[in-house]
Amino acid sequence: RKEVEQDPGPFNVPEGATVAFNCTYSNSASQSFFWYRQDCRKEPKLLMSVYSSGNEDGRFTAQLNRASQYISLLIRDSKLSDSATYLCVVNTHTGRRALTFGSGTRLQVQP
Amino acid sequence: DTGVSQDPRHKITKRGQNVTFRCDPISEHNRLYWYRQTLGQGPEFLTYFQNEAQLEKSRLLSDRFSAERPKGSFSTLEIQRTEQGDSAMYLCASSPQGAVAEAFFGQGTRLTVV
Repeated sequence: RKEVEQDPGPFNVPEGATVAFNCTYSNSASQSFFWYRQDCRKEPKLLMSVYSSGNEDGRFTAQLNRASQYISLLIRDSKLSDSATYLCVVNTHTGRRALTFGSGTRLQVQP
Repeated sequence: DTGVSQDPRHKITKRGQNVTFRCDPISEHNRLYWYRQTLGQGPEFLTYFQNEAQLEKSRLLSDRFSAERPKGSFSTLEIQRTEQGDSAMYLCASSPQGAVAEAFFGQGTRLTVV
């Protein structure tokens, strides 16, 4: 079983739609959680950190459920520029100190 | 440009040759990571340095792979006797000290083994 699992998609949505991505992680010791965005043939870049209480950044909302080991990302009012791969990322802080990435979920926003 | 830089951006090599990649992290970052990414997959962890100490290596890192960070600044990743399966994007990232620290990635080195 992969440490971080995501639905690969692609999610094809029209502009203005709301879309949600889910992610599960296997290591209950995981303590830090992030969503990264990766454009085609580019490096991953941090989209937002995910906090236990949930957090919002403009059109983006991230939620964490530690009991279910589940992370979500909600994008409201999708823009064409949101088309990218969204990577779910966890860090345990003990043992491995590097970020562990999911395989990513591809989003294509259509006009 | 004060971001993470990697060199070269692209490398084509024949099977069996050795290749070396360089990464210059953000100057004040003491943590440096190497990842490998293939099409349709997320970055896979290879190895991690804190300053000059290599603290962790993935099982993915066979004996043909070696990484160094001799002065705690730039790092090199060498692949000996390359195989076609080594073809991938090799990404370097750095982060500052801290429990919840964002990793900043370089643009990567795309390796093609022919």
